[in-house]
Amino acid sequence: SQKIEQNSEALNIQEGKTATLTCNYTNYSPAYLQWYRQDPGRGPVFLLLIRENEKEKRKERLKVTFDTTLKQSLFHITASQPADSATYLCALPAGGYNKLIFGAGTRLAVHP
Amino acid sequence: NAGVMQNPRHLVRRRGQEARLRCSPMKGHSHVYWYRQLPEEGLKFMVYLQKENIIDESGMPKERFSAEFPKEGPSILRIQQVVRGDSAAYFCASSPTLDGGRDSYEQYFGPGTRLTVT
Repeated sequence: SQKIEQNSEALNIQEGKTATLTCNYTNYSPAYLQWYRQDPGRGPVFLLLIRENEKEKRKERLKVTFDTTLKQSLFHITASQPADSATYLCALPAGGYNKLIFGAGTRLAVHP
Repeated sequence: NAGVMQNPRHLVRRRGQEARLRCSPMKGHSHVYWYRQLPEEGLKFMVYLQKENIIDESGMPKERFSAEFPKEGPSILRIQQVVRGDSAAYFCASSPTLDGGRDSYEQYFGPGTRLTVT
């Protein structure tokens, strides 16, 4: 069955450094991949979508890569700030529609 | 443009009661999705609806759970005879259909309804 893995351990980094989060998937060839941010007690917020024919996508301090051979996406936040502290979710489409399968998420903590 | 609205934000029900969760999608959005999130777990897809149609309910438990998105009014997720294991956060999301009939892939989530079954 389709499976998405994100690092379950929290990632602790110093303010100003680059945070790198990993999303791996198996038994799957998605047409695109999405990243969402979720703060405690709130709904996820869409950040970026990258298609299978795109290697890299950027939005302000965010960068996403998508390696369909490795079946992996990397999510980078450069010049990280304490306000970037949140859980980041990777999501892939499934079933031919807009249905999304989410990874369990990686918690990021940026320390001043 | 108001975002996705869900109510109530918190709902407490005793075992055996019914829970009704409401979701109003963003204006102009014709696709609605329901997800469930258990503590310390990821979001699990439950059902995908368009106006008056259930498109995909593969994530819905076979019994006690139902969903609708009527022509007028919000989408409703209904849980009958709730049990303790139904305690979770339930999120609704919506997405638009773009010009030319293409669907938009990003989903816009509401704040969720936290259901507690005592």
